[in-house]
Amino acid sequence: GENVEQHPSTLSVQEGDSAVIKCTYSDSASNYFPWYKQELGKRPQLIIDIRSNVGEKKDQRIAVTLNKTAKHFSLHITETQPEDSAVYFCAATRPNYGGSQGNLIFGKGTKLSVKP
Amino acid sequence: KAGVTQTPRYLIKTRGQQVTLSCSPISGHRSVSWYQQTPGQGLQFLFEYFSETQRNKGNFPGRFSGRQFSNSRSEMNVSTLELGDSALYLCASSFSGLSGNTIYFGEGSWLTVV
Repeated sequence: GENVEQHPSTLSVQEGDSAVIKCTYSDSASNYFPWYKQELGKRPQLIIDIRSNVGEKKDQRIAVTLNKTAKHFSLHITETQPEDSAVYFCAATRPNYGGSQGNLIFGKGTKLSVKP
Repeated sequence: KAGVTQTPRYLIKTRGQQVTLSCSPISGHRSVSWYQQTPGQGLQFLFEYFSETQRNKGNFPGRFSGRQFSNSRSEMNVSTLELGDSALYLCASSFSGLSGNTIYFGEGSWLTVV
């Protein structure tokens, strides 16, 4: 089955710096890669996602890149702010038989700390 | 549009008891899935329902079960609770259940087993 590895497990940056979190996946049939941000005691919130027919997607300070050949995808946060501090999870999913939604396989998470 | 709603938000149960958690998906969403989140194991998939049918199941014992109603609302049940079942249980919904659909999470139900 699918396996998602996420690195690093913790990341500390100064406000204004960039942060990069990397994930690798094992199942070449995976075709949807969301990133979630989870603040302490709250739900995982989707911040950006990318589908396998796209190599890069950007939304303001957040971008995701996907390399299908190498089976890895990365989250890039530029101009980090203290409110970006949270745990970030990458995930991957592949379609089930018939094209239905597969379940999300999550990485173990990255605790990002942005120091003012 | 209301988000994914889960009840109860917090509960404490005793070992051996059972618990039922409820989830109302985003209006119009037909796929509902459940995840367990613990510090040690992270986010793990329990099962997914679409049109009242369990379509996908994770690697959890039979004590964990679920169902979906005709209005897409879903419940999950854990019987014979164990201390290790203490976790945040998250419900997630997506529109049509087709691969690549965006998946939205509820606030979760915090279960403590004592």
